[in-house]
Amino acid sequence: DAEITQSPRHKITETGRQVTLACHQTWNHNNMFWYRQDLGHGLRLIHYSYGVQDTNKGEVSDGYSVSRSNTEDLPLTLESAASSQTSVYFCASSPNRAPRDTEAFFGQGTRLTVV
Amino acid sequence: AQKVTQAQTEISVVEKEDVTLDCVYETRDTTYYLFWYKQPPSGELVFLIRRNSFDEQNEISGRYSWNFQKSTSSFNFTITASQVVDSAVYFCALRPGSARQLTFGSGTQLTVLP
Repeated sequence: DAEITQSPRHKITETGRQVTLACHQTWNHNNMFWYRQDLGHGLRLIHYSYGVQDTNKGEVSDGYSVSRSNTEDLPLTLESAASSQTSVYFCASSPNRAPRDTEAFFGQGTRLTVV
Repeated sequence: AQKVTQAQTEISVVEKEDVTLDCVYETRDTTYYLFWYKQPPSGELVFLIRRNSFDEQNEISGRYSWNFQKSTSSFNFTITASQVVDSAVYFCALRPGSARQLTFGSGTQLTVLP
């Protein structure tokens, strides 16, 4: 079955370290997204991509970067981790035209703690 | 810019009560899509419904129903005869027709007590 997977599921890192969160989808979707979830804020968009070599900044992109070298993967990099980046991160993908009974497909989430 | 407001941060009800979760949105797009997602304690996001801006017909699915009113920019979600398994965080979201990314509300934590 097609799926979207995030790794790792949990990570603890130190302030100032570079961290990369992986996202891999097997639906061949053009669109991929990274969100962070924080209490009181819901999910906020970090970066998104509409296809290979396309990346765009979202609402809260400072301190994060992404690259899209193939259809399946959109890794999220924290250049220098800060405590404010402690959060739960969700990756999502969607086709250009979603069927009525669904929308974006979300990964299981990655809980990142920066100490 | 898009905005989704879920004014109810937390709601607590007793099992079998009906409960309505409010969602108010803002967008300048004339074509847009509205969604509800459920996030149970296990943490995954579960898609519940998508509604197009040009379709104001209310929808019912089992114990769930949705009331979409363009005049008040609201897309409210009602659970009838709530059950303990309905306990979760519920998110309302918006996608303008011109974009592919979602804008989420801050979520409503629903607790259903036995």
